[in-house]
Amino acid sequence: AQKVTQAQTEISVVEKEDVTLDCVYETRDTTYYLFWYKQPPSGELVFLIRRNSFDEQNEISGRYSWNFQKSTSSFNFTITASQVVDSAVYFCALSGLNAGNMLTFGGGTRLMVKP
Amino acid sequence: DGGITQSPKYLFRKEGQNVTLSCEQNLNHDAMYWYRQDPGQGLRLIYYSQIVNDFQKGDIAEGYSVSREKKESFPLTVTSAQKNPTAFYLCASKGQMNTEAFFGQGTRLTVV
Repeated sequence: AQKVTQAQTEISVVEKEDVTLDCVYETRDTTYYLFWYKQPPSGELVFLIRRNSFDEQNEISGRYSWNFQKSTSSFNFTITASQVVDSAVYFCALSGLNAGNMLTFGGGTRLMVKP
Repeated sequence: DGGITQSPKYLFRKEGQNVTLSCEQNLNHDAMYWYRQDPGQGLRLIYYSQIVNDFQKGDIAEGYSVSREKKESFPLTVTSAQKNPTAFYLCASKGQMNTEAFFGQGTRLTVV
């Protein structure tokens, strides 16, 4: 079985603050893939990043960065200098090799960035 | 353009009726998924299919049925056995294991 936990259901920050969204996962697979998606008010999920279990390098893309730590089974997402347009629901997801191609999502974190 | 299309965007159903949500993709993906999202909630897996003519139940399959007769299509039927069907339904498709899933725009189903 595989599981993803996003303990923060809702976060509110003021524009220009940095914010970190937590993601903790469980899987028995040694090969697995982690994903982050953004869901704006329109509802459609937008892919942000993919990481495989053999690549623990952190990644930065503009104001976004991701910290993958296998030792703590975490894949956290940080937005630097947040903007109002970052307001959305963010989902972390997991796909384990032995789970076929089943894709399991966390409960999501609603981020509200206030001007 | 390649993508995944869900229809209709909004759907109203009377209690006791079955209704079918459409999901079509032209990305040549083998895997397709149906998720349900309730207000303020995460995505819960209803059914998924890894290949044509095969599908597996997800966490909340009761009251739903699917078919996968073609690679491009994965329709979801919400049956009258589903006690609380009002929700936002998202369909997704995915290629190989190490690739991301692509999502449709969703169907908002309301029981009236």
